[in-house]
Amino acid sequence: DAMVIQNPRYQVTQFGKPVTLSCSQTLNHNVMYWYQQKSSQAPKLLFHYYDKDFNNEADTPDNFQSRRPNTSFCFLDIRSPGLGDAAMYLCATSREMSGQGYEQYFGPGTRLTVT
Amino acid sequence: GNSVTQMEGPVTLSEEAFLTINCTYTATGYPSLFWYVQYPGEGLQLLLKATKADDKGSNKGFEATYRKETTSFHLEKGSVQVSDSAVYFCALSVGTGFQKLVFGTGTRLLVSP
Repeated sequence: DAMVIQNPRYQVTQFGKPVTLSCSQTLNHNVMYWYQQKSSQAPKLLFHYYDKDFNNEADTPDNFQSRRPNTSFCFLDIRSPGLGDAAMYLCATSREMSGQGYEQYFGPGTRLTVT
Repeated sequence: GNSVTQMEGPVTLSEEAFLTINCTYTATGYPSLFWYVQYPGEGLQLLLKATKADDKGSNKGFEATYRKETTSFHLEKGSVQVSDSAVYFCALSVGTGFQKLVFGTGTRLLVSP
């Protein structure tokens, strides 16, 4: 089945220790997104890639970076995690980013704990 | 700006009860509307969508109708099951170029046997 896969599902890191979360997709979609979701809140878009074009949301902290080496994979790097970065991180894809009704397909998420 | 307002939760129902979760929106332009569902510990799954006025999206017994005159997209199900317990997010996308998903705050549904 075509899908969005996130690894690991649970990640524990220490305060200030860099961490990388990964996402892969078999949908061959052009667009990949990273969201941060804190408890009982809606997902918050951090950035997205359209093909290799990177687009950062204006309020995404510099501490968060992303890489997309090819169509299938996208990585979220947190350079120096703080306690406030503990959250669920969701990866999503969509075939296109404009036009009517291009829904986003979400992965299961990676829950990040910062100790 | 663009925004989505959902009813506060939790919504607590008994199995087989009728469900309505209200969603209204504000948008510049002509949005597409979505309902996503998030089961505990999981990512979001698209439940249904509608792309133009009077469209009805439906899936797994859930329905929502795009009402332009009332700027609403209320989610309904005639008979809920315990397995429907989850958080439901209403969302819209609109605009030319990049269409960002704008989410509501989510409504938690708890269904008891």
